[in-house]
Order: sequence, then C-alpha cells, then structure tokens
Amino acid sequence: DAGVIQSPRHEVTEMGQEVTLRCKPISGHDYLFWYRQTMMRGLELLIYFNNNVPIDDSGMPEDRFSAKMPNASFSTLKIQPSEPRDSAVYFCASSWTGTTGELFFGEGSRLTVL
Amino acid sequence: GENVEQHPSTLSVQEGDSAVIKCTYSDSASNYFPWYKQELGKGPQLIIDIRSNVGEKKDQRIAVTLNKTAKHFSLHITETQPEDSAVYFCAADSEKLTFGTGTRLTIIP
Repeated sequence: DAGVIQSPRHEVTEMGQEVTLRCKPISGHDYLFWYRQTMMRGLELLIYFNNNVPIDDSGMPEDRFSAKMPNASFSTLKIQPSEPRDSAVYFCASSWTGTTGELFFGEGSRLTVL
Repeated sequence: GENVEQHPSTLSVQEGDSAVIKCTYSDSASNYFPWYKQELGKGPQLIIDIRSNVGEKKDQRIAVTLNKTAKHFSLHITETQPEDSAVYFCAADSEKLTFGTGTRLTIIP
C-alpha cells in the first residue's frame, strides 16, 4: 500500500516567492496533519484536518501560511511570501484516530528559502 | 499547553548493550504516549506507544514504562543493533500531540 505522499521532496526558492507543498494522505484516513521540523524548535504541529475540515490551526506561525484540504485525498500548505526563517522540513501525516493513535508520516518536503 | 522534555539529546552505546531514553511531561491530562523513530531523510515512524491505564509495555527488544504520578516515561532498547541508530522522539497527547526534542542514538559496532 502507498504511504503518505508528499511533493516536492526538495524546494529551493528565493525570499518573497510563493511556495506550495502538497500531500496525499493514506486512503481511508480521516485526519491529516502538517508538521514543521527544525533543529531549533523540533517537530511543531502547524494545523490538522478532520474529514477535510481544519480543526486546529493555532500552530500556523503567521498569515503568510495557509493550508487547504479540498478533498479527502489532497492537501496543500502554502507560504506566501516566503522568508529565510521558513526554511525547514515540512511533514504531512495522516491517521484514522487523530492524535491518540499512530500517525503515518510522509518523507517530508525540505524547503530552503534563500 | 503540554511541555515535553527529553533526555539525553545524544546517546552512544556499544552494540549489544541497552539504551534508555527518558521523557517528562507537564499536563496531567495527557493519556497517550507514543515513541517515534526517525531515520535519516525519512519521516518519523511509530515504534511503540503506551496509554495511561498501563505502566509498562513490551515489544520484542523495545519496552516503554510510564509513571503517571511522576509524569515521566522511558524507552528501553535491549540488545542494540546497528539498525537501531536513528533519532528517537517521545510525545504526549492531551489536546494535541506534543513531541520531545529528540535523542540521536548511535550504536557503535
């Protein structure tokens, strides 16, 4: 079975550009999570969806960040405009049971903003 | 909100020896405590978890213990092997899953 699929795996962009990260969750999973990983702050939850509806976006750092889930098989995380401090690895994860059960992580999108 | 502290940040052990990683949490309402393993270039993967109604859980060479009174839990890996080298994260769930800062485990052949 395919796991969580993220694209792109690597993105290098210049400050001020728009960045869109994409995620396809595991089929049948009702929950989708976006995490950011940095050396300084570790793994931070940005936002999560249940049945395509955003439930908690309190971790989204600024209005420059937005996330959508138009259907059960696709989600995007957009940064506009991007800044160097947004450089990180962004993970998408999905699950059946929210955060009280196993999260299945994708391989991540490594973003570098110059 | 929940605060999870994890120690040590790095750990090196000889192959065949045991490794122990410890975490503390702050929110007494937390009742689910998973451990994730992250290999280089990959996403974290669940290796074991424990819920607040049990004190210990074991799966082959991996075990987790939980002390709810003291608000700490630990990961124990016995008979370590080179493939155990990775970064390990603990986490605690109250309203949302909060991760520890990670432990880089290196197994020395």
